Amino acid sequence: GQQVQQSPASLVLQEGENAELQCNFSSTATRLQWFYQHPGGRLVSLFYNPSGTKHTGRLTSTTVTNERRSSLHISSSQTTDSGTYFCAPSSNTNKVVFGTGTRLQVLP
Amino acid sequence: GPKVLQIPSHQIIDMGQMVTLNCDPVSNHLYFYWYKQILGQQMEFLVNFYNGKVMEKSKLFKDQFSVERPDGSYFTLKIQPTALEDSAVYFCASSLLGGNYAEQFFGPGTRLTVL
Repeated sequence: GQQVQQSPASLVLQEGENAELQCNFSSTATRLQWFYQHPGGRLVSLFYNPSGTKHTGRLTSTTVTNERRSSLHISSSQTTDSGTYFCAPSSNTNKVVFGTGTRLQVLP
Repeated sequence: GPKVLQIPSHQIIDMGQMVTLNCDPVSNHLYFYWYKQILGQQMEFLVNFYNGKVMEKSKLFKDQFSVERPDGSYFTLKIQPTALEDSAVYFCASSLLGGNYAEQFFGPGTRLTVL
């Protein structure tokens, strides 16, 4: 099955700094989604991005399909960005397969 | 974007009782899913459901679990009877299409605590 490695496992930033979150996976992904999970558990979909680059607000997702990697860039981080970010690259399955996540803490 | 709603957001019940978790999927979606996340652990697939039938389920989908979507209303996950290890956050998802390309839209989750 798909093996997903997210790095770093955790990250602490000062407010205003940028963050680059990496996702590497073992099989070419036909579906790749990024999610944000609030500290309280609520899940928010960020991107559906199996290839190319997408932007929304301060977030940018770039997936290089043939290199089996994706990144999530957060610019000008805010304390409300704190939480866990999951990459979910899936292939040949109806299931969304989640990585182990990057836990981000943004300090004021 | 399209929204999936889950009701309730929190549920606390005693072990052995029955619980039903409700999901209001995106209105024109045809495929429905449940995922489970134990506190501090990875999110894991439970089951997917299409055309009134379970299409695929994981080892986590125990015999005490059942899903249905009667008359196109809520998509529900029922656990009867509950056990302590069922305490987790349960996420519902839906998609218009099935298969390995389809974007799945997730609800915010229901936190279930079994005492």
